Amino acid sequence: AAGVIQSPRHLIKEKRETATLKCYPIPRHDTVYWYQQGPGQDPQFLISFYEKMQSDKGSIPDRFSAQQFSDYHSELNMSSLELGDSALYFCASSLRSYGYTFGSGTRLTVV
Amino acid sequence: DAKTTQPPSMDCAEGRAANLPCNHSTISGNEYVYWYRQIHSQGPQYIIHGLKNNETNEMASLIITEDRKSSTLILPHATLRDTAVYYCIVKKGTNAGKSTFGDGTTLTVKP
Repeated sequence: AAGVIQSPRHLIKEKRETATLKCYPIPRHDTVYWYQQGPGQDPQFLISFYEKMQSDKGSIPDRFSAQQFSDYHSELNMSSLELGDSALYFCASSLRSYGYTFGSGTRLTVV
Repeated sequence: DAKTTQPPSMDCAEGRAANLPCNHSTISGNEYVYWYRQIHSQGPQYIIHGLKNNETNEMASLIITEDRKSSTLILPHATLRDTAVYYCIVKKGTNAGKSTFGDGTTLTVKP
């Protein structure tokens, strides 16, 4: 069965650079969620989109933005990267009450 | 969403049942209990959820007390691959919407 696809799997950026993470939800899933998990920490909700509109917002820094496109894939854009942005970034997708599935994550390292 | 309390760590012998407790004394009537697990650096994986009745699937069983203030996740025959962080999450409605991950239980299955 198709899963949530995230790209890239690993990304290394320098401070003050910009990064774009991509998420391809399970086909027909209409909601996408982004989570950030720092080293040794629990996943923290960042933002979600339902039918291409922002549906909920968590602790997402102003330097970050995200959107969901017409094909339902989503991108998380991060600017002015800081060392503290180094983390695993997970995307999850769901279809209303069915199937809340996480991707394998993107490991971002800021040097 | 209601707050949950879990022990930080537990050990279990391979082949034995692992019983992971969760307290959610402030749970409200329309909130469900969800369990996820995260194997090292992988995306969280949905295990099971329930409202007030006990639930069982191919992965685990969920026992919810009659007053709904606590629950227990049971892995009937733990294997080494069940070593993971287990998160108990309480949230309204169905398996959609953001999940607030708190401090889960690190289960270590030993040979």
